[in-house]
Amino acid sequence: EIVLTQSPATLSLSPGERATLSCRASQSVSSYLAWYQQKPGQAPRLLIYDASNRATGIPARFSGSGSGTDFTLTISSLEPEDFAVYYCQQEGTFGQGTKVEIK
Amino acid sequence: EVQLVQSGAEVKKPGESLKISCKGSGYSFTSYWIGWVRQMPGKGLEWMGIIYPGDSDTRYSPSFQGQVTISADKSISTAYLQWSSLKASDTAMYYCARKRGYSYPDDYWGQGTLVTVSS
Repeated sequence: EIVLTQSPATLSLSPGERATLSCRASQSVSSYLAWYQQKPGQAPRLLIYDASNRATGIPARFSGSGSGTDFTLTISSLEPEDFAVYYCQQEGTFGQGTKVEIK
Repeated sequence: EVQLVQSGAEVKKPGESLKISCKGSGYSFTSYWIGWVRQMPGKGLEWMGIIYPGDSDTRYSPSFQGQVTISADKSISTAYLQWSSLKASDTAMYYCARKRGYSYPDDYWGQGTLVTVSS
């Protein structure tokens, strides 16, 4: 079973700053990796699929990269609405999440 | 418009049974998988299992195999998650989500069903 490890657990940043989130897989998953955003009291929302493709309606400030075992979600310039928890996923496995909080 | 609408919050006692639902609309229900995801209070997302309503092919996470049953009624475009004997540790928010295939992302999510199990 694949294990996804996200880092850091918490990222404290200010609006306008760049956020870089990491997801590492215990074995190669090719490019089959997705990223989700979850805000308090809401269902998760798909941001990125196949490692680097933005889902419908997702702003261009969100980008994904990587393949094999190492993946990155980048938010180029944080907006107030981007402070949330982010999860990576591969098939039936989720990472433990990274919380992006306001510094 | 694609929608997944889940049944309402439930409060149950330990040992009771429960079946919650997820109704799909705005797309071909039999052409997409429906999965279930657990989120315990203050915790992360846990993938429970998935069903293909077209032929009822069902797969479970090893962590949830034997603990829950996933089913679907394609005639009413509804998927289900059920427990035969609830435990306090089943207290959580449960989400359903749609995906095109097992290796595809969950592109639409239900609003969640909060299950509280308490004596």
